[in-house]
Amino acid sequence: NAGVMQNPRHLVRRRGQEARLRCSPMKGHSHVYWYRQLPEEGLKFMVYLQKENIIDESGMPKERFSAEFPKEGPSILRIQQVVRGDSAAYFCASSPWTRNTQYFGPGTRLTVL
Amino acid sequence: ELKVEQNPLFLSMQEGKNYTIYCNYSTTSDRLYWYRQDPGKSLESLFVLLSNGAVKQEGRLMASLDTKARLSTLHITAAVHDLSATYFCAVDMDSGGGADGLTFGKGTHLIIQP
Repeated sequence: NAGVMQNPRHLVRRRGQEARLRCSPMKGHSHVYWYRQLPEEGLKFMVYLQKENIIDESGMPKERFSAEFPKEGPSILRIQQVVRGDSAAYFCASSPWTRNTQYFGPGTRLTVL
Repeated sequence: ELKVEQNPLFLSMQEGKNYTIYCNYSTTSDRLYWYRQDPGKSLESLFVLLSNGAVKQEGRLMASLDTKARLSTLHITAAVHDLSATYFCAVDMDSGGGADGLTFGKGTHLIIQP
């Protein structure tokens, strides 16, 4: 059973470009979570999605960030007009149902030049 | 706002010694997780503690939960080098249903020296 998949693993963008991060949950998991980790910090919750629905986006910056989890295909975290402060590791996690252990993907390390 | 505090944040210890990492959280929750992260890697689930007094053990690691004190501990027994990593505790943000995002502590960076 493959684990949570994320791609790309490393992404370099120039200021003002768009970044798209993809997450495929574990088989049978319909709950997806996105977190951001800054250097030497713990993870910060961004958004929680189920298929086609955003359940909680309280941790997501109000501007430039969006997330989706379509009926078919991976979940996508989109960052428009990236700035240097967006440089971080972005982790996706999935779980089979609510309030269950979250299993994390390998992360996407975003560097904004 | 839920706050999760770990201490110590950095720990260097010798092989064979015992030590405890502490995790305090600020609001009621009945679900606490411990994760391990190796440098540049993802998070590996270690334990989930679901009720007051819960204790779980895996190898040289033992985790416990006291929901009344809002405290969890991760105890390391006879440490070995392979346990060097960063350990995070995390708490459900909403124990009443709805949001399921976790609030993480800053992590304890553990180095075990021969």
